[in-house]
Amino acid sequence: KNQVEQSPQSLIILEGKNCTLQCNYTVSPFSNLRWYKQDTGRGPVSLTIMTFSENTKSNGRYTATLDADTKQSSLHITASQLSDSASYICVVREAGTALIFGKGTTLSVSS
Amino acid sequence: DAGITQSPRHKVTETGTPVTLRCHQTENHRYMYWYRQDPGHGLRLIHYSYGVKDTDKGEVSDGYSVSRSKTEDFLLTLESATSSQTSVYFCAISVTGADEQYFGPGTRLTVT
Repeated sequence: KNQVEQSPQSLIILEGKNCTLQCNYTVSPFSNLRWYKQDTGRGPVSLTIMTFSENTKSNGRYTATLDADTKQSSLHITASQLSDSASYICVVREAGTALIFGKGTTLSVSS
Repeated sequence: DAGITQSPRHKVTETGTPVTLRCHQTENHRYMYWYRQDPGHGLRLIHYSYGVKDTDKGEVSDGYSVSRSKTEDFLLTLESATSSQTSVYFCAISVTGADEQYFGPGTRLTVT
């Protein structure tokens, strides 16, 4: 069964610190992997998208990595800010059109 | 929210009543989707549309129907709401069926 597993489920860090969120997937055949940020009470917004051949992609303080061999991805947040408090969702597209969503990691950044 | 509005944003209804949620887009995108989001689950696809009057079922379509009579509007109907349909419902749009999906602000539905 195609699955996307994220860890940790939740995370609390101090403002200014770095953190890394993990995503493991079993989706096959694989098309791409996207990280979304979802603020409380709002819809998800795309941060990055990675295809099979891409290892790293950055969007400001967000850096995503992909290891297609081990079917793992990570999202690294540098110098966290209070506005980074949100749920981060890993989404894998199965070749074709189907999207498989992870359950998300809830990040809380405190001052 | 990428030119997508959802209405109502919040609704409380009783078990057994019909409910219709509306998604409206101003982007003229071909594809539109309805998802539900529940604690302990990832977003799950209910129905999607790939054009006017062209719709198909998603992963959790039982108890839901949809209609799309215009490019800009996609309606989700719960014919007889049940407590298990208490959820946050998100509409999304995309240009093709394989590119990025843009999500609306969500509708929080409570069935008592």
